[in-house]
Amino acid sequence: QSALTQPPSASGSPGQSVTISCTGTSSDVGYYNYVSWYQQSPGKAPKLIISEVSKRPPGVPDRFSGSKSGNTASLTVSGLQAEDEADYFCSSYGGGTNPYVFGTGTKVTVL
Amino acid sequence: QVQLQESGPGLVKPPGTLSLTCAVSGASISSDGWWGWVRQSPGKGLEWIGDIGHSGSANYNPSLKSRVTMSIDKSKNQFSLSLTSVTAVDTALYYCAYSSGWYRLDYWGQGTLVTVSS
Repeated sequence: QSALTQPPSASGSPGQSVTISCTGTSSDVGYYNYVSWYQQSPGKAPKLIISEVSKRPPGVPDRFSGSKSGNTASLTVSGLQAEDEADYFCSSYGGGTNPYVFGTGTKVTVL
Repeated sequence: QVQLQESGPGLVKPPGTLSLTCAVSGASISSDGWWGWVRQSPGKGLEWIGDIGHSGSANYNPSLKSRVTMSIDKSKNQFSLSLTSVTAVDTALYYCAYSSGWYRLDYWGQGTLVTVSS
C-alpha cells in the first residue's frame, strides 16, 4: 500500500488557522473512518491528537479538529500557538493484514 | 500516564539480528490492546512493523513477516522485537507504541535509532 499524501510544509501566524490535508484512496481514507493524526515535536514521542477522523483524546485542546471528505482527511489547527510548531502525520486503517498506512508528514511552522 | 521506552543496540552488522525492547510504565502489559512497533526511515517514511496482544497473539506487516518476531515478558512489563537478516534498508528510527483499538496508536516511545552497517 502507498503512503498517504500530505503537503511537506504549512505555516501560519499566531492566532491564525492552518489546515493540513491527508490524501489516500478509496481503499483506506475513503472507505474507513479510522483516520488518526499525530503531533511530533523534535526529540519527543509522537502524540495522538485526533482519532477516528474527528475525535480528540482527553487533554487535547479543542483548537485541533479533524474532518474527512472522500479520500482526503484534514487536520485544522485554529488559533495557532508557538507550541504548535511541530511535524504532523496522519494514518488510516488500510484493511487486511497491514492495518496502518501512514502519511508523508507535514512540518507546521508558526511565523 | 502510559510511558514507553525503547532500548537496544544502536548499531547492527548485516546480516545480523536487530533486537529491541520496550519497557512499559504506567500500565500493565497484560492490559487489553496491542503493543507494537513502527519504524521511520528517510527512504520509506513511517512503516508499521507489527503488534502483539497480552495473550501473545501477534500480527506482522506482510512485507516483513518472514523476518519478524515479537514477544511479551509479563514479569518485566515489557515487549520485544526481533528482526533477522538485516540490511542497510532496515536502518531507521524504531518506535514502540500502544493501541487501545480502533487503529489508533495512543502512546508512543521516543524512538531509538538503529543503524545497520558493517
